[in-house]
Amino acid sequence: KNQVEQSPQSLIILEGKNCTLQCNYTVSPFSNLRWYKQDTGRGPVSLTIMTFSENTKSNGRYTATLDADTKQSSLHITASQLSDSASYICVVISNTGNQFYFGTGTSLTVIP
Amino acid sequence: EPEVTQTPSHQVTQMGQEVILRCVPISNHLYFYWYRQILGQKVEFLVSFYNNEISEKSEIFDDQFSVERPDGSNFTLKIRSTKLEDSAMYFCASSEFRGLSSYEQYFGPGTRLTVT
Repeated sequence: KNQVEQSPQSLIILEGKNCTLQCNYTVSPFSNLRWYKQDTGRGPVSLTIMTFSENTKSNGRYTATLDADTKQSSLHITASQLSDSASYICVVISNTGNQFYFGTGTSLTVIP
Repeated sequence: EPEVTQTPSHQVTQMGQEVILRCVPISNHLYFYWYRQILGQKVEFLVSFYNNEISEKSEIFDDQFSVERPDGSNFTLKIRSTKLEDSAMYFCASSEFRGLSSYEQYFGPGTRLTVT
């Protein structure tokens, strides 16, 4: 069964600190993996898209890694800001179609 | 910057009633999607649409759901006879290309559907 699991479920960090969010997936065959940021009551916004051959991709203070062998990805946020408080969702797209498999998300709260 | 828009932002309906949720995808996009997110749960794929027909649909997308592109700009999701469990945030999304590529998928702000 195609699944995407994220950890931790929630995280609280101090402003300015770094954090790393994890994503494990069983989706196969794999096409690409995306990290989204979802503010409360809003639609998800894409942060990074990684294909099979990419193992690191950065977008400002966000750096995503992908290990396609172990089917794991991480999202590292450096120098966190209050505006980083949101849900971060890992999404994996299968190579067999146009379906997007969503993780349950990690709820990040950055406090002053 | 172009964006996906959805109307209404909040819809309240009685159980058994029909609802139509509306979306205006980004104008040059060819692939359209509906997702739902029940409060506190993960986003779930409902259906994708291309070239005026359904490309893929999930198990959730049963006979009570239908999608339509009635004109060149709107993309609608119809729920024929709403149930309490249909209460959720419904997101529309669009992309220029299929998800198999690394092209972006853009989400709208969502419509919160409350079935009473």
